[in-house]
Amino acid sequence: GENVEQHPSTLSVQEGDSAVIKCTYSDSASNYFPWYKQELGKGPQLIIDIRSNVGEKKDQRIAVTLNKTAKHFSLHITETQPEDSAVYFCAARGQAGTALIFGKGTTLSVSS
Amino acid sequence: DTEVTQTPKHLVMGMTNKKSLKCEQHMGHRAMYWYKQKAKKPPELMFVYSYEKLSINESVPSRFSPECPNSSLLNLHLHALQPEDSALYLCASSQRGTSAYYEQYFGPGTRLTVT
Repeated sequence: GENVEQHPSTLSVQEGDSAVIKCTYSDSASNYFPWYKQELGKGPQLIIDIRSNVGEKKDQRIAVTLNKTAKHFSLHITETQPEDSAVYFCAARGQAGTALIFGKGTTLSVSS
Repeated sequence: DTEVTQTPKHLVMGMTNKKSLKCEQHMGHRAMYWYKQKAKKPPELMFVYSYEKLSINESVPSRFSPECPNSSLLNLHLHALQPEDSALYLCASSQRGTSAYYEQYFGPGTRLTVT
């Protein structure tokens, strides 16, 4: 089955810097890759996703890139702000009928 | 509107109690999910309902019993839980079932403590 690895587990940046979180997946049939942000005491919030027929997607300060050959995808946050501090989870969906498989999460801390 | 609501927000129950968690969405989504999340861990899938039928049961103990009364509601009935079942229980929904990669939206969760 699918396996998703996420790095780093913790990331500390200064306000205004960029942050990059990387995930690798094992199932070459995986075709959907969402990213979730989870703030303390809240449920995960879908912030951006990408499908296997696209290499990059942007939404304001957030972007996701996908390299199908290498089987990895990354979340890029530019001009980080303290409110970006949260746990970020990547996920992958494999073949039809299977559920999302989550990475172990990255705790991002943005200091002002 | 991408809102999934869950009640209650917090629940404390003894090991002999019976309680239920409730989830509701009004986005017309036809797939609904229950996840369990322990502290500092990713969500773990428990059950999936697709078009009001149970389509995935991830070998969850029978002390957890899901129910989908209609396309907008999802319940999780709890009975004879163990302290290790204490966790954040998350509900999620997506437009279609697991046969397609539609966005999945989570509710805020119910923080369950079993004493």
